[in-house]
Amino acid sequence: KQEVTQIPAALSVPEGENLVLNCSFTDSAIYNLQWFRQDPGKGLTSLLLIQSSQREQTSGRLNASLDKSSGRSTLYIAASQPGDSATYLCAASGSARQLTFGSGTQLTVLP
Amino acid sequence: DTGVSQDPRHKITKRGQNVTFRCDPISEHNRLYWYRQTLGQGPEFLTYFQNEAQLEKSRLLSDRFSAERPKGSFSTLEIQRTEQGDSAMYLCASSHDRMNTEAFFGQGTRLTVV
Repeated sequence: KQEVTQIPAALSVPEGENLVLNCSFTDSAIYNLQWFRQDPGKGLTSLLLIQSSQREQTSGRLNASLDKSSGRSTLYIAASQPGDSATYLCAASGSARQLTFGSGTQLTVLP
Repeated sequence: DTGVSQDPRHKITKRGQNVTFRCDPISEHNRLYWYRQTLGQGPEFLTYFQNEAQLEKSRLLSDRFSAERPKGSFSTLEIQRTEQGDSAMYLCASSHDRMNTEAFFGQGTRLTVV
């Protein structure tokens, strides 16, 4: 059974700082890995999707990497802004494409 | 198409009542998923459809829960005889099995059982 862990559970940084969020998964037989953002009381917004054959994906100030052999993914956020404050979730996709989520990292960017 | 749509956004019900939620996926997506999320946790998979066929159900989906996707379009999730433990956010997602399979989520239905 796939298990996904995210560390840290919460993170507070000053505006402008670069930061890394970590995600680990136990079963390397994933189809893809997806990073999401969730604002309080809202649904999930897809940030980046990395296929199992890829090593990284970039979108604007976000860069996500994937290392299947070690069961790890990271989300790098450059030049953080207060508007980046949210919970970030990673999810590993299985054979039926259902997602197994971590518990998320709650990010606060202080002005 | 504005994305995945869920209705209602919020539902308060008394214990023992039945509730039904609706999800309208992105129109060209043939896969539809239901997840449940409790406070401070990531979403947990409940069930998924490919077109109109329900292909997988989680152990979390007790016999009080039923989901349908008639004609492979919108889907409904019904909870019978609601319990306080059913209070959660119910999220719907859709994807396409021949595209990059990126999953897109709706805004969710927040259920409170009192």
